[in-house]
Amino acid sequence: SQTIHQWPATLVQPVGSPLSLECTVEGTSNPNLYWYRQAAGRGLQLLFYSVGIGQISSEVPQNLSASRPQDRQFILSSKKLLLSDSGFYLCAWSVLYSNQPQHFGDGTRLSIL
Amino acid sequence: SQQGEEDPQALSIQEGENATMNCSYKTSINNLQWYRQNSGRGLVHLILIRSNEREKHSGRLRVTLDTSKKSSSLLITASRAADTASYFCATDGETSGSRLTFGEGTQLTVNP
Repeated sequence: SQTIHQWPATLVQPVGSPLSLECTVEGTSNPNLYWYRQAAGRGLQLLFYSVGIGQISSEVPQNLSASRPQDRQFILSSKKLLLSDSGFYLCAWSVLYSNQPQHFGDGTRLSIL
Repeated sequence: SQQGEEDPQALSIQEGENATMNCSYKTSINNLQWYRQNSGRGLVHLILIRSNEREKHSGRLRVTLDTSKKSSSLLITASRAADTASYFCATDGETSGSRLTFGEGTQLTVNP
């Protein structure tokens, strides 16, 4: 069966520090991969999605970047964190086609001090 | 534009009652999905309804879709305390591929 791992679960970082959040998927090949951010009590905002290795689409301009160095690995990064980068970050995967559900990791709670 | 706007924002009911949540969207869709999120966790897929379907059932869940009104509803029958969670609708449009646009969610509280 397919599983998705996302870590760390919580992270506290100072303003200006770098960031690296990792997400890996097991049990499937060539998945679509997604990074979302969720503000408290709000819906999900799509940040990046990827349909293959090295293929990244950015949905909103921001202080973050994403990379997909391997088929089932998706990394969210920042060189210098801002206070506004605080939030709940969720990784998800789906099969290649539309009309399929997305499967989510358990998220990373990021607090910027 | 904001797709998938749910109402109410919050709903509090007693165990055993039915819970109905609504979702409206603005542009044409291929599919509409409902997800559930327990506090501090990831989202879990509940049900997907295609644009050519009007109603779908899964256990205690019933989803309807009215494409003429661009709206959907999620009904949870005989609710349980364990149904307490946030519920989100998500749409994928005709040009968005597998990307989903999520609404703001309904926070459901089921009191024992």
